[in-house]
Amino acid sequence: GAVVSQHPSRVICKSGTSVKIECRSLDFQATTMFWYRQFPKQSLMLMATSNEGSKATYEQGVEKDKFLINHASLTLSTLTVTSAHPEDSSFYICSALRGGPRDEQYFGPGTRLTVT
Amino acid sequence: GDSVTQMEGPVTLSEEAFLTINCTYTATGYPSLFWYVQYPGEGLQLLLKATKADDKGSNKGFEATYRKETTSFHLEKGSVQVSDSAVYFCALRTGNTGKLIFGQGTTLQVKP
Repeated sequence: GAVVSQHPSRVICKSGTSVKIECRSLDFQATTMFWYRQFPKQSLMLMATSNEGSKATYEQGVEKDKFLINHASLTLSTLTVTSAHPEDSSFYICSALRGGPRDEQYFGPGTRLTVT
Repeated sequence: GDSVTQMEGPVTLSEEAFLTINCTYTATGYPSLFWYVQYPGEGLQLLLKATKADDKGSNKGFEATYRKETTSFHLEKGSVQVSDSAVYFCALRTGNTGKLIFGQGTTLQVKP
C-alpha cells in the first residue's frame, strides 16, 4: 500500500520559536496533500489543502501567516508553525491523495507538537 | 455545513462480542462515506467506504451500509478480536476537492 511519512514524530519547542513538520509520500506522487489538527479526544480538523506548485487553501479560521504550508514537490509538503505558542500544542496529521479528489487519501502517522 | 456525528466512546467489549458504532451525517449533495481506523501509534487507515445509497462497504469482517433515508453509516462487526482495539472515525466527502469531514472518533477496547 501507499506510505506517507511525517517528520519529526514529536517535537518540543519554546514559545516564540518556529517549527517545521515534513510530510512525504514515499512511493507515489501526490499533487494534493492535506494538513489536519487533532486535539485530545476530538476529531481531525482540516487546516488546509496543499497543492503542488501553488498556494495552499486554508480553512476558515486558520491563520495562514501562522501556519505556513509549502508543497514544493510531488512528494513533499511542509507545515511551519511560526512564533509558536502553548495553544498551538497539538497533534498534526497530513494526508496525501494518490490520484484525483475521488481517490483514496493516505495518512501520515502524525506529529506531536508541544510548545513550552 | 456538512458534519458527521459518532457515538461517544469508549466502547469496551469482550472478545467475540458484536460491535456497533453509530454514525450519522448531515450533508448537501450526495456524499461518499468512509470508516477509518487508527491503531495506537499509527496513521489513519481506510477501513471501508460506500459511495452511493444502499451500498455496503466491507473489510476485515467489518460492514457498514449507506442509508440515505436515515443519513446513517453504522459500523458493525459480528465478532470482535483484541486486535480490533483502536480508534474508529466515520467521515464523509462531498464535491471535488477531496476534503474529508470527520466525526469525533470512537475508541474501541476489546478485552480477552
